Amino acid sequence: DSGVTQTPKHLITATGQRVTLRCSPRSGDLSVYWYQQSLDQGLQFLIQYYNGEERAKGNILERFSAQQFPDLHSELNLSSLELGDSALYFCASSEQFRGRTDTQYFGPGTRLTVL
Amino acid sequence: AQTVTQSQPEMSVQEAETVTLSCTYDTSESDYYLFWYKQPPSRQMILVIRQEAYKQQNATENRFSVNFQKAAKSFSLKISDSQLGDAAMYFCALRGATNKLIFGTGTLLAVQP
Repeated sequence: DSGVTQTPKHLITATGQRVTLRCSPRSGDLSVYWYQQSLDQGLQFLIQYYNGEERAKGNILERFSAQQFPDLHSELNLSSLELGDSALYFCASSEQFRGRTDTQYFGPGTRLTVL
Repeated sequence: AQTVTQSQPEMSVQEAETVTLSCTYDTSESDYYLFWYKQPPSRQMILVIRQEAYKQQNATENRFSVNFQKAAKSFSLKISDSQLGDAAMYFCALRGATNKLIFGTGTLLAVQP
């Protein structure tokens, strides 16, 4: 158990809908990262937050957004869902924004199925 | 651009034997970190081992060790005394200044009893 929690574990929804994925980082970790794992794209970085502020953006679609709250939990919002958004979404956390001891620990993931 | 390449989509090893998974990478940065993550059928991403690029000494974690060849930009993972529980997808990853992880496509390791 990495200490990173994600809810829900599974999510099944229809095209055009909107969903919210939730992540709680390990105790003491200030950085949260979101990754998408799909069959055709592999594991891809989406976005990073550090202590409530957005720090880096990857291949995140405009239909997707995220935020990190004062208690450091993070939410990833996916809207106007398409079949191709079906994937495993991981949250990871690390102690600090950048540093020699910084290692990302992953949550169990949320499996999203869009029908 | 940073890239990570895993050229072995699948590997197989006999229980108690040793296996080496290959990884090559490309980066123009001098300060970076390399990781191996394991993804068993449960889909959980588990950190196996980490290597700092500024360290010449190869990292070791119990039965897992790496062969880090900085000039060749190679970062292979050696698993000794393979166990059935080692069966999983293994991902090599690179982290540079931006802090995001760049992953390879993975190597699926089967362990034969």
